[in-house]
Formats: sequence, C-alpha cells, structure tokens
Amino acid sequence: DADVTQTPRNRITKTGKRIMLECSQTKGHDRMYWYRQDPGLGLRLIYYSFDVKDINKGEISDGYSVSRQAQAKFSLSLESAIPNQTALYFCATSDPGRGQGGVDTTEAFFGQGTRLTVV
Amino acid sequence: TQLLEQSPQFLSIQEGENLTVYCNSSSVFSSLQWYRQEPGEGPVLLVTVVTGGEVKKLKRLTFQFGDARKDSSLHITAAQPGDTGLYLCAGGHNYGQNFVFGPGTRLSVLP
Repeated sequence: DADVTQTPRNRITKTGKRIMLECSQTKGHDRMYWYRQDPGLGLRLIYYSFDVKDINKGEISDGYSVSRQAQAKFSLSLESAIPNQTALYFCATSDPGRGQGGVDTTEAFFGQGTRLTVV
Repeated sequence: TQLLEQSPQFLSIQEGENLTVYCNSSSVFSSLQWYRQEPGEGPVLLVTVVTGGEVKKLKRLTFQFGDARKDSSLHITAAQPGDTGLYLCAGGHNYGQNFVFGPGTRLSVLP
C-alpha cells in the first residue's frame, strides 16, 4: 500500500460543481501539502498544514479550501470548479529534516496524483 | 517570489549518452533538492545538497550545488531508458519554510 494515498485518481467535473480531493498518509508525518502541476509551470503550492490545528495559504490558494481532519488526512476542496483548475493535483507529506545549522533538508513524499478535468 | 528556472525544458537522447541539466535562480537557497517524476507517479527525492560547491554522487548521477548556492546541475553518465522522467529541482530556505519547485526538465532516453 502507498504511504500517501490520493482519491480519486481521475475526475471529470462540470463548471460550477463542488469537488473534494482526499489525501491520507500512513507515514506519521505532521506536515501535509497540496500542490497543482501544470505543464511548464512545475509544482505550485496551494495550501499546507504543519499540524492538525494549522492551515496556511500557499502561492495559489484562491478558489480552493482545505480541511485537516486528522494528522493522517488532508482534503482539498474546489467550491465552484472552473476550467482553469484543470490540472494534476498532488498531496505530499514531510517531517522536519535534520538540517545542519538550521538548514531545512526536509524530504517530501508525494501521492500518485489526481488528474482533475473541469469541463 | 523566488523563481527557479530549469534547462533544457525537454531533452531526448540515445541510450549510453551523457547529459547535464541545469537549475538556476537569482535567489540564494540554503538547500537544493532534485526529484524525479515518472509518468503517473508523484515526484521522488533523489538528493539534497546544502553546501555551496557540494558534489554528491548517486550511481551514474552527479549533483552539484553552485558556490553561490543559486544554481545546481545534474549530470547523468551513460543514460539508460530507466532514467526517463521529469527532473525537478526545489530550493529551500530557512528551517520550516516551504520549498520552491522549478518547472522541470523532461528527459527521454531512447534504447
């Protein structure tokens, strides 16, 4: 079984619909992230959470919301989907890296991705 | 916004050839990571470099962090079809802050 599991793997939805993408992890990490990936743009951070009571906006949070239901679960919602939200979405987890002199060497562990198409 | 640029964007080579891909920024990073992403999968960490001028080797892959910690390179010797994938670099800053990802280099190694 994968350490970071995303559901669904693929989804086609209509403009204006509400949709939720779910992520669960068995790695016991406190930190969880949602990214979207578009061709030529790399991975862009949508939201992140450093523990159950912590939610932070990333680079491109407009049009998205998240919920951290438990240490192991972090869901991403699109309240009213629009076509330019068509993308590959990744959930990731990490633990603080044991950096030297405060350098962050955190390793991120990614799920397999959810391909979302908004028509 | 600290941007990371990667070059080339696409690279297609024959099995056995050597190649180098680059990751550049105008910002200084405290650490630099390289990930490889295969089709249908999420990225997987290959290496983290933290010291300016640092060189790390992972079998046929050699990673270097620039002296000024603004750039990095990945060199692959005798590429194999299994090296095919999207190579992403990610720059990190102080402890607890998030990494910034580059757009990636898509490598195709033909048998």
